[in-house]
Amino acid sequence: QLQESGPGLVKPSETLSLTCTVSGGSISSSSYYWGWIRQPPGKGLEWIGSIYDTESSYYNPSLKSRVTISINTSKNQFSLKLSSVTAADTAVYYCARQGQNQWLPNWFDPWGQGTVVTVSS
Amino acid sequence: DIQMTQSPSSLSASVGDRVTITCQASQDIYNYLNWYQQKPGKAPELLIYDASNLETGVPSRFSGSGSGTDFTFTISSLQPEDFATYYCQQYDNLPLTFGGGTKVEIK
Repeated sequence: QLQESGPGLVKPSETLSLTCTVSGGSISSSSYYWGWIRQPPGKGLEWIGSIYDTESSYYNPSLKSRVTISINTSKNQFSLKLSSVTAADTAVYYCARQGQNQWLPNWFDPWGQGTVVTVSS
Repeated sequence: DIQMTQSPSSLSASVGDRVTITCQASQDIYNYLNWYQQKPGKAPELLIYDASNLETGVPSRFSGSGSGTDFTFTISSLQPEDFATYYCQQYDNLPLTFGGGTKVEIK
């Protein structure tokens, strides 16, 4: 099971920070990637990035300059930081476990319930 | 980036109908395609992986087929709980990308 947490309101130009807490298994003892996806209001799904361990992570090039995903195995959590946010970053943010295919992330399953983040002053 | 084009973007159907959704990739993605169902206010759920493999616990009325650039998702007999939005997703290349979604509505 996965659960997102973090502020629901972020001011423009600031940094959005979210954490995903994984329960029911160790985040470090499995061969899974851990990913972040977002969905703007009324729109489709956008992959943000994925992390396997502290040495292996991938980001969407469209967001890469602003995104950092990290993993904390002692807390069984992984986190998302998105800097210099604008109104266009307003979305539901999901975390998810991912399988891997040839050392790269593939499917998303399961997903967290999602958390709404609004960027507004 | 690999573009995923779903069609139609929405459809109306009745309970018991056969429903087919297509997903076209902008380049060959072999069978590296997944399908998800999303109900309003809920997170997506994985239904089919590797183009045609049914996720554990998913009813057999759902199926997927295709390879290369053209893929099909079918609901053989639409049930009331199937009214939702469906997305395809490729994992042949990064960035991972999703189709625009197909909203299945009640006729």
